[in-house]
Amino acid sequence: NAGVTQTPKFRILKIGQSMTLQCTQDMNHNYMYWYRQDPGMGLKLIYYSVGAGITDKGEVPNGYNVSRSTTEDFPLRLELAAPSQTSVYFCASKHRGSGNTIYFGEGSWLTVV
Amino acid sequence: AQSVTQPDIHITVSEGASLELRCNYSYGATPYLFWYVQSPGQGLQLLLKYFSGDTLVQGIKGFEAEFKRSQSSFNLRKPSVHWSDAAEYFCAVGAHSGGYQKVTFGTGTKLQVIP
Repeated sequence: NAGVTQTPKFRILKIGQSMTLQCTQDMNHNYMYWYRQDPGMGLKLIYYSVGAGITDKGEVPNGYNVSRSTTEDFPLRLELAAPSQTSVYFCASKHRGSGNTIYFGEGSWLTVV
Repeated sequence: AQSVTQPDIHITVSEGASLELRCNYSYGATPYLFWYVQSPGQGLQLLLKYFSGDTLVQGIKGFEAEFKRSQSSFNLRKPSVHWSDAAEYFCAVGAHSGGYQKVTFGTGTKLQVIP
C-alpha cells in the first residue's frame, strides 16, 4: 500500500542551486497538490493539478514550478533556491469529487543555506 | 474565500482527561470539514470529515467532531486522551473555488499529553 510517495526525505541545498522534489501516487487520483508547512503557519498550497497536463498556482507559487505529464507523477521544481524556501514540503492527492479525503506523503525536509 | 481559525496554538492535557480542540471556519455555503492529525516527522492522516448528514461525526482513534452551523464551528473531542494522542491537529475546510476543490488548512494545534 504505497499511497503517496515523496523523495527525497531530507535535502540540504546551497543558495542558488536547483532541485526537484519527486512525488508519485498509485491510487489513480485526479487531483494532486504540493503544500509547504512552516512552523505556526499551517499548510500553504504551492501548486495543484486536476489531471495530467493541467496545473495551476496555489497561494505561494513564487520560486517553484511543476509539471504533470502522467496521472501518477507530480514533481516540484525549485530553480534558484533561497533561504525562504527552507520548509517541509508535502505532496498530496485525492479523487475528483467534493469532500473526498486528501492523502498526504510523509514530507520532504528541505534546508537552504 | 474560505478560512479556518484554530485559536489554540498549544494545549496540554493529562492522560485520561477529556479533550476539545476548537475550529472555526468562514465560508458562505455549507463547507466540507476535516480534521487531520500529524505525528512528529510524519505526514497528515485524516481523523474524520463532515460534508452532509448527521452533524456529529465519528472518526478514528476514538475522536469525534460536531458541526455547528450557527457557530461556524467544527470542534474535535475525545473523552479520554491517551499519551499516543500527542501530535499536531489540523482543521481544514474544503469548498469549490474557481472551478476546483480547494482545501484550506488552519495553523494547527499542538497537543501535549502529560502523565
